[in-house]
Amino acid sequence: NAGVTQTPKFRVLKTGQSMTLLCAQDMNHEYMYWYRQDPGMGLRLIHYSVGEGTTAKGEVPDGYNVSRLKKQNFLLGLESAAPSQTSVYFCASSYGDREAGELFFGEGSRLTVL
Amino acid sequence: GQNIDQPTEMTATEGAIVQINCTYQTSGFNGLFWYQQHAGEAPTFLSYNVLDGLEEKGRFSSFLSRSKGYSYLLLKELQMKDSASYLCAYMDSNYQLIWGAGTKLIIKP
Repeated sequence: NAGVTQTPKFRVLKTGQSMTLLCAQDMNHEYMYWYRQDPGMGLRLIHYSVGEGTTAKGEVPDGYNVSRLKKQNFLLGLESAAPSQTSVYFCASSYGDREAGELFFGEGSRLTVL
Repeated sequence: GQNIDQPTEMTATEGAIVQINCTYQTSGFNGLFWYQQHAGEAPTFLSYNVLDGLEEKGRFSSFLSRSKGYSYLLLKELQMKDSASYLCAYMDSNYQLIWGAGTKLIIKP
């Protein structure tokens, strides 16, 4: 009954460091997403994937990279972290086009960049 | 830009009814979604409207008027556990969700 699992839940980085956020889903969903959520702003899409081996840019992709080597996993990488990337990151998944709006979210990963 | 707007914060009394409005402007539309997000937690799906009218689901109802670019979420018989942020989002022509900033609902006894 795991649903969508994100690791780590919390992380503090220094400017310039790199890290990877891992997202895993056990619902056999085709679509997976990475969002960031900042105070006073709506969820903003960073990157998404419509199937294994595919990725696409969202609204705010700069400074991030992603990979979807396996259907159940979606990785978000920060190559050189910046303070502007301090945020709460949510991974989400959905079945596909017509059901793409019903997202199942992970618990979030709180990242602080000093 | 992405034009979707909802009030920042609302206050209501336990047992009462509250209506949270959402307005949007888009040339491509594939539905309107409402999510609930408790503080420090992930958003969870509440409702979906793609045709005009009211969708009722227990204490929660959602309304859509496509011609007016308007939706509302109606919460009845408010409970303290309904204190949360309510996120409105529309799905654009590329099946991407465009999110409002959320409405923080405070329930008072």
